[in-house]
Amino acid sequence: QSALTQPASVSGSPGQSITISCTGTSSDVGSYNLVSWYQQHPGKAPKLMIYEVTKRPSGVSNHFSGSRSGNTASLTISGLQAEDEADYYCCSYAGSSTLVFGGGTKLTVL
Amino acid sequence: QVQLQESGPGLVKPSQTLSLTCTVSGDSISSGGSFWSWIRQYPGKGLEWIGYMYYSGTTYYNPSLKSRVTMSVDTSKNQFSLKLSSVTAADTAVYYCARYCSSASCSGYFDYWGQGTPVTVSS
Repeated sequence: QSALTQPASVSGSPGQSITISCTGTSSDVGSYNLVSWYQQHPGKAPKLMIYEVTKRPSGVSNHFSGSRSGNTASLTISGLQAEDEADYYCCSYAGSSTLVFGGGTKLTVL
Repeated sequence: QVQLQESGPGLVKPSQTLSLTCTVSGDSISSGGSFWSWIRQYPGKGLEWIGYMYYSGTTYYNPSLKSRVTMSVDTSKNQFSLKLSSVTAADTAVYYCARYCSSASCSGYFDYWGQGTPVTVSS
């Protein structure tokens, strides 16, 4: 069970859109709709932003969206805002009642 | 409002057993529909799923940690616990407890987290 692969860092200017990828395998991301994304600000616990690949919990801004193509899930943030600067993690069900996280991506808003 | 709070020693000696407890309020562990989970975060970033358990006592562990992990639940206190044996410096991390929602009305995500408790393994 290997960690999902995320870029170490991404950056964008306010108002721009960015996409963070999360690459797994046909045994996790590619096989189950149980991919979720979490935002973590320094010193805080992670916060759920996307679940079941594309769904947004109530209270999460609609400028966050999720998608998947094959074994790669993606989180897109449109209309970047300063408060979006944080670390982002993906998580996927990996079969046999196990879960796997991505290595995390640091988003910098320039 | 569901709240989780981790407690336990912040310093553990190498080769000893790390023991943490998570106290849940605002939800009953025995109500079902959720898996009660432990996750750790290494210094500098990465999250690692350690395992989770159902109120019945059924447990599921990360295969890479399975030989050293034991989770248990105390429904009378609305608490669940983690024991990690034979710790080394590589087990130094912030440990989070979290609720993993998995039922007919919700599936496959961590919706509530504790604040995290730092644990250092050092002599």
